[in-house]
Amino acid sequence: LAKTTQPISMDSYEGQEVNITCSHNNIATNDYITWYQQFPSQGPRFIIQGYKTKVTNEVASLFIPADRKSSTLSLPRVSLSDTAVYYCLVGDISSNTGKLIFGQGTTLQVKP
Amino acid sequence: DVKVTQSSRYLVKRTGEKVFLECVQDMDHENMFWYRQDPGLGLRLIYFSYDVKMKEKGDIPEGYSVSREKKERFSLILESASTNQTSMYLCASSLEGTGNIQYFGAGTRLSVL
Repeated sequence: LAKTTQPISMDSYEGQEVNITCSHNNIATNDYITWYQQFPSQGPRFIIQGYKTKVTNEVASLFIPADRKSSTLSLPRVSLSDTAVYYCLVGDISSNTGKLIFGQGTTLQVKP
Repeated sequence: DVKVTQSSRYLVKRTGEKVFLECVQDMDHENMFWYRQDPGLGLRLIYFSYDVKMKEKGDIPEGYSVSREKKERFSLILESASTNQTSMYLCASSLEGTGNIQYFGAGTRLSVL
């Protein structure tokens, strides 16, 4: 069964770029890689999703190497409001396994 | 905007009680999910449903059951609540064919005494 591993916590300062890496050595062929952000007392909120190479949207970039055994969420120029817990999710419910595996989450603390 | 509504934010129940957690989504999504979230463990999938009356076990289905009689509603049932089921429960929904892009409710914090 796939296991998804991320750092427990990270610190950064306002204006810096933050990169959070997730390890998923047993990723299956059909699995997507998806990242979520969660604030206290709220449910997770979708940030970005990819399958391979690089994906960019208005809030983040996602880098996926050719072997897909890891992925890196990149947040450009973070602000205090980016302080949150970030989760990576690997899986695909439409596949035979139907498994969805969340990492334990990375608590990002952005300092002034 | 997609809205996923969980019926209660906080719930306190006694050991052995039957507990119903309700979730409703308003975007006609095919897929619905129930997770529990515990410190240090992240989110763990209990059950999901990809259609009305269809359900699939997730990673930790023991002690839980689900019901999906209508497309917009997905219920999680604890047949006989136990203290180790004290947790945050999160419901989510997704549109078929969008990978893992899920929309979450705000969660129900359940305490079993």
